[in-house]
Amino acid sequence: EVQLVESGGGLIQPGGSLRLSCAASGFSVSSNYMNWVRQAPGKGLEWISLIYSGGNTYYADSVKGRFTFSRDNSKDTLYLQMNSLRAEDTAVYYCARRGDGGRAMDVWGKGTTVTVSS
Amino acid sequence: DIQMTQSPSSVSASVGDRVTITCRASQGISSWLAWYQQKPGKAPKLLIYAASSLQSGVPSRFSGSGSGTDFTLTISSLQPEDFATYYCQQANSLPPTFGGGTKVEIK
Repeated sequence: EVQLVESGGGLIQPGGSLRLSCAASGFSVSSNYMNWVRQAPGKGLEWISLIYSGGNTYYADSVKGRFTFSRDNSKDTLYLQMNSLRAEDTAVYYCARRGDGGRAMDVWGKGTTVTVSS
Repeated sequence: DIQMTQSPSSVSASVGDRVTITCRASQGISSWLAWYQQKPGKAPKLLIYAASSLQSGVPSRFSGSGSGTDFTLTISSLQPEDFATYYCQQANSLPPTFGGGTKVEIK
């Protein structure tokens, strides 16, 4: 079964760091374009980062320079290293696969919640 | 960045109704548009990709149309399980951007 499972969320103080993980099963992360998308409480969806199969990464301006997207191909696991966290980073964080059809995100994890608060 | 504008932001409808949601891009995106359904506390689910292609397993009452800047998601006969929030997303260029969402509520 094709599946993504996020972990690593929690409560963190402003200025702190957190690393999220996303474990894939049923497919290889190295062969796919993978995304992180977040959703602040009561708000819409916000794309934050993409990693291409070749390893290049792209970031939304809101997280550029603070977040780093990486992967471990041997474990089929993605990571989102989040530094200098701010209250506005509070959200549910989803990893999602970009499918072959129409560049849409066809597989999503259930999400992990990050709360940035003192 | 390409801005995606959805309308309406919410709609009240009854089971069996035909519901139409529109999405407008701030510049042309060809057919690089997807639609997602999200229920409370759940992850988004892909419904439509490439503007009009139905994702596998999605009921045929969902359909998408449009190209360029104007797109439509139609639910031909609303079912109880369709009450949710719907988002469009452009996949033409980075960064991918989402519309603000349309909440479909029970009338």
